[in-house]
Amino acid sequence: DIQMTQSPPSLSASVGDRVTITCRANQGINYYLAWFQQKPGKAPKSLIYAASSLQSGVPSRFSGNKSGTNFTLTISSLQPEDFATYYCQQYNSYPCTFGQGTKLEIK
Amino acid sequence: QVQLVQSGAEVKKPGSSVKVSCKVSGGTFSSYAISWVRQAPGQGLEWMGRIIPIFNTTNYAVRFQDRVMITADESTSTASIELTSLRFEDTAVYYCARDGLYYGSGSTYWGQGSLVTVSS
Repeated sequence: DIQMTQSPPSLSASVGDRVTITCRANQGINYYLAWFQQKPGKAPKSLIYAASSLQSGVPSRFSGNKSGTNFTLTISSLQPEDFATYYCQQYNSYPCTFGQGTKLEIK
Repeated sequence: QVQLVQSGAEVKKPGSSVKVSCKVSGGTFSSYAISWVRQAPGQGLEWMGRIIPIFNTTNYAVRFQDRVMITADESTSTASIELTSLRFEDTAVYYCARDGLYYGSGSTYWGQGSLVTVSS
């Protein structure tokens, strides 16, 4: 199985901050990497697919990048509604593994 | 507008089976993969398997392979997952998710989740 190592596990930040979450794959996954946002008691919401493509309706302050087997999710200016848990997922090969999650909290 | 509506919460005894359904509306049911993901209380997301209805092909995570079955009924646009030999640690919210319209778009649309509680 492909392992996805996500960091940091948690992050405290303020409204307006720029934050970056990282996911590293232990082998090549091409660009088949998605990022999800999940709020308590809700289903995950897809933010980015194919490493850097924004899903329809997702604000442009979210962006994704790929460098080799390292992937990043950046939120350029945090808004109150962005405080949630974020997960990466590779879907290059089965099983489609998730990172452990990053809980983004208000400082 | 693609929507996935899942069946309701279930309480099951250890050793029994559970079947969770996911009705898809909007778009073409058969052409897009449907995945199942679960989340134990306070834990992360875990991919269980997926089906591509038009080919009726399935892939499962190895750890569930012996006791999981994912099916799709094109006549009702409904996908289902059945998990057998339930254990306490199978208590989780089970989600279905459908791929998006574009190739490589991944799990774009999600159901609301179905809580399965395994309790004696």
